[in-house]
Amino acid sequence: DQQVKQNSPSLSVQEGRISILNCDYTNSMFDYFLWYKKYPAEGPTFLISISSIKDKNEDGRFTVFLNKSAKHLSLHIVPSQPGDSAVYFCAALREGNKLVFGAGTILRVKS
Amino acid sequence: DTAVSQTPKYLVTQMGNDKSIKCEQNLGHDTMYWYKQDSKKFLKIMFSYNNKELIINETVPNRFSPKSPDKAHLNLHINSLELGDSAVYFCASSPGTTNYEQYFGPGTRLTVT
Repeated sequence: DQQVKQNSPSLSVQEGRISILNCDYTNSMFDYFLWYKKYPAEGPTFLISISSIKDKNEDGRFTVFLNKSAKHLSLHIVPSQPGDSAVYFCAALREGNKLVFGAGTILRVKS
Repeated sequence: DTAVSQTPKYLVTQMGNDKSIKCEQNLGHDTMYWYKQDSKKFLKIMFSYNNKELIINETVPNRFSPKSPDKAHLNLHINSLELGDSAVYFCASSPGTTNYEQYFGPGTRLTVT
């Protein structure tokens, strides 16, 4: 039972353009969401998060949008850079401080 | 000055063996976790310790036993290894149970033959 879904396995974007990574969730009890970035042979690195009381959080080139009614969040990267090429995981916080991860989206930024 | 380190990075072993993976964090965090990334790439939490006490124990076979000698270390011991245990195991830590940012180690790729 996948409670956090990232339906796009991969995304390819030109350098300088916007990257939009999407995430859907099924459990309305989730109240905190995080995005992690992962390079090959490394562990995931925290990128940005958002509480369910907000609909937007911004940190430099990274912005996360949350649409609670649609149970959907997205990560926008503007402008995209080749160094952003990585796997991006969406995660939601369950009771007991447990993170539930999506399967990840591979982002390739072409120069 | 690695924040969360794991050893070994790669582990190849035969079915039926017992093995351990070690994790250390130098961030001064109170909470540590073990995750398993399976073949479908999902990261799933297995265990969590807060100040050496077990606080999360997901539905994991009894063959898996975490041990936390102090709050900077969380080791994972696996008995009677099975083919299905092949995966990448990640250790993580966070400042406390109410701080949701978790810092991950580089992972240990376990292959059971």
